Amino acid sequence: NAGVMQNPRHLVRRRGQEARLRCSPVKGHSHVYWYRQLPEEGLKFMVYLQKENIIDESGMPKERFSAEFPKEGPSILRIQQVVRGDSAAYFCASRGGGNQPQHFGDGTRLSIL
Amino acid sequence: AQTVTQSQPEMSVQEAETVTLSCTYDTSESDYYLFWYKQPPSRQMILVIRQEAYKQQNATENRFSVNFQKAAKSFSLKISDSQLGDAAMYFCACNNNAGNMLTFGGGTRLMVKP
Repeated sequence: NAGVMQNPRHLVRRRGQEARLRCSPVKGHSHVYWYRQLPEEGLKFMVYLQKENIIDESGMPKERFSAEFPKEGPSILRIQQVVRGDSAAYFCASRGGGNQPQHFGDGTRLSIL
Repeated sequence: AQTVTQSQPEMSVQEAETVTLSCTYDTSESDYYLFWYKQPPSRQMILVIRQEAYKQQNATENRFSVNFQKAAKSFSLKISDSQLGDAAMYFCACNNNAGNMLTFGGGTRLMVKP
């Protein structure tokens, strides 16, 4: 009964490179959320996806950031041309239908050199 | 827009004693849920307890209970018989009923003294 799986656990990139963060939701969950946590802060909502659709991306920067949740395969958060300020922990959460609570993955810690 | 405020950056408690973590929130939703999450040094986000706003009865999970004051928009977490393993960051959160995305407070670091 696997929970939310995120990989990689740690990702190091140089400024200007691309970062791809992957999230496999709990089996049967069709709702996926991405959050960002800066050091010593709470999590901030970025984007909410349902299979193949972006439902709400109001928390995601307009440039360089994109997210997808294809019909097959994991959800991907993509950050192009990374900058130092992108260094953070990125958490994915999934939930089933109705008002079920979100289950979180262990996060990906992104470090930008 | 929703806001969640945790006014205590740090709290400490003696092992076996009781501690209360504060949280206030603001939302325009009529139906919503409130949550407490625990984040140990491993950085996992662990759901501790959940409260449905339309329920007057305070939620309880073993040693964890909440004091939900809807009119005051207050949602505090009480940890009884504190254990060393309770040491962690604790985050209060409120969901947006439309999409269920969570708004988190800034967190309270709980230290447990042996």
